[in-house]
Amino acid sequence: EIVMTQSPVTLSVSPGERATLSCRASQSVNSNLAWYQQKPGQAPRLLIYGAVTRATGIPARFSGSGSGTEFTLTISSLQSEDFAVYYCQQYNTWPFTFGPGTTVDIQ
Amino acid sequence: EVQLVESGGGLVQPGRSLRLSCAASGFTFDDYAMHWVRQAPGKGLEWVSGISWRGRDIDYADSVKGRFTISRDNAKNSLYLQMNSLRPEDTALYYCTKDRNAASDRPVFDYWGRGTLVTVSS
Repeated sequence: EIVMTQSPVTLSVSPGERATLSCRASQSVNSNLAWYQQKPGQAPRLLIYGAVTRATGIPARFSGSGSGTEFTLTISSLQSEDFAVYYCQQYNTWPFTFGPGTTVDIQ
Repeated sequence: EVQLVESGGGLVQPGRSLRLSCAASGFTFDDYAMHWVRQAPGKGLEWVSGISWRGRDIDYADSVKGRFTISRDNAKNSLYLQMNSLRPEDTALYYCTKDRNAASDRPVFDYWGRGTLVTVSS
């Protein structure tokens, strides 16, 4: 099983600042990596797939990069609605696994 | 507008069974693979099972293999999860999710329902 790790566990950021979230896979997942955002009491929402492609309706301030085992989600200028938990997910190899999540909260 | 509405959750004793349903609307259901993803209280996400657009390809996580059965009825735009021999560790919010693709072997979950809570306890 491919183990996904995410860092940091918690990221404290001020509105308007840039946030950089990391995701690492225990073996290569090529570019088969997605990012999801989950707010309290809500279902997750797809942000990025194919490591770099924004899903429908996702603002341009969200961007993804990386391939192989190292990936990054960048939020260029945090808005109040962006404070949430972010999960990465690999879909290269069964079983399809998620990272433990990074919480982005208000500094 | 894509809508996924789960039902069938509840409190059940260990060893018993439960059947979850998901009613889909707002898209051509039989064009896409579908999956179940669960989230234990206060925990992260776990993929449970997936089924391809025609239902020919089915996968399960090891944690549920042999106990859970996924199925779909394209005529009814519905997805199901039959859960047998339930264990306390199956306690979670179960989400019905739509795949971006017809095949289920590289799942990207582009739409999620609100989930149905399954609690396994005596």
